[in-house]
Order: sequence, then C-alpha cells, then structure tokens
Amino acid sequence: GAGVSQSPSNKVTEKGKDVELRCDPISGHTALYWYRQSLGQGLEFLIYFQGNSAPDKSGLPSDRFSAERTGGSVSTLTIQRTQQEDSAVYLCASSQFAGAGTEAFFGQGTRLTVV
Amino acid sequence: GDSVTQMEGPVTLSEEAFLTINCTYTATGYPSLFWYVQYPGEGLQLLLKATKADDKGSNKGFEATYRKETTSFHLEKGSVQVSDSAVYFCALSSSGNTGKLIFGQGTTLQVKP
Repeated sequence: GAGVSQSPSNKVTEKGKDVELRCDPISGHTALYWYRQSLGQGLEFLIYFQGNSAPDKSGLPSDRFSAERTGGSVSTLTIQRTQQEDSAVYLCASSQFAGAGTEAFFGQGTRLTVV
Repeated sequence: GDSVTQMEGPVTLSEEAFLTINCTYTATGYPSLFWYVQYPGEGLQLLLKATKADDKGSNKGFEATYRKETTSFHLEKGSVQVSDSAVYFCALSSSGNTGKLIFGQGTTLQVKP
C-alpha cells in the first residue's frame, strides 16, 4: 500500500486477555518501529526492527510485551495478560533506512482500551 | 539519557498571528532534530527536520533552526491559519544508526478565525 497500515484501528479487550496488533510497513522499508502514545507518558519508543532482527528492545515496558517481524515486512506486537495501564494508542512507523536523519512514516495507530 | 522538552500547551492564536513553539533537547553527540505534526484524525507526519548545527528546516511556512549553543529547535511560523490547528511534536534522533525517535510531550495549537 501507499502508507503504513495498522490493524485493528480500535481494540477493546478485557483485563488479562492477550492482544495482537499488526503493522504493514511501506514496501521496501527496512526499518520498523513501534511507539506508544498515552496521556500520561506522551510518545514512547518501544522497539526497533532492522529487517527481521530487533537490535533495540529497550522501550518494551515489561516481559508481557513482545514483537516479531517476518519476511522483512509485517510486524506483530503482542501484549499478554493485558492490564489497564496498557490502554494507549500504539503507533507503528517505518523508514527506508535506519539512521539519525531518516524520515519515519507513521501509521494511524491502534487504540487499545483495556476494561 | 536523551530527552526533549517542549512548551506546554494548549496554544490558542488568532488567524495570521505569529507562532513560536519552544523546544529544547538534551543529547550526547550530534542528534538530528525533527518536528512532527498530528492533524485531527490523522497520523503523525514529518513537518521539517535539521540534521546538523545551524541547519534550518522549513516546510509549509514553518521554520526551525538547529541551535547547538542553546540546544534548541524552536518552531516558528509568521502567519498561522485555521488549518494549522494540530498537535506538534519536537523529536530527536541520536547520532547512531537506529533512527529511534525521542519525542517531546507535544503542543496543541488551536487557531481561531
């Protein structure tokens, strides 16, 4: 597609359930990033992929959070045993290359609500 | 660690007013600096960037100059329009090869006709 696509756009889940969030980056973009946008914390980095490898996972808040990327394309962010504090908008971004000055293209995000 | 501090909003201006949104940063090395904008109902998009000291980024009438001596990257526009109403995020990407962004808290701008 023309841009970064995320699904679902909205997800409501019960506390304790697992959720999977999907990101389709722009074709040919080697770098992929997940961020979280919440009222109290602003925009936080979660994880960075270069190809299928994740050299920087430093932003994952707990071991309930994991992510993978396959075929150098689609990425899935999984949150296990969801908690109310996980409620946020999860944003995916991709860029053609990884580098300090490279433009990142963002998806519309998945709004996760844990009830 | 690296960080970005933005002026708190919301900022409310009348159309054609002058806009400044302050942004300062803390980083080791020589980061790249960005302004991203989030229009209502839309995703984040790059507004402008600067990759080295004294560079000026510009786009859509907005400008920001990379000031290493004051560690700042203030966003300015001479005459705002209603369509500029959005949330503006200042961000940095540290020197290195990951492209990871560190964001400020965001500043909401509302422009009234």
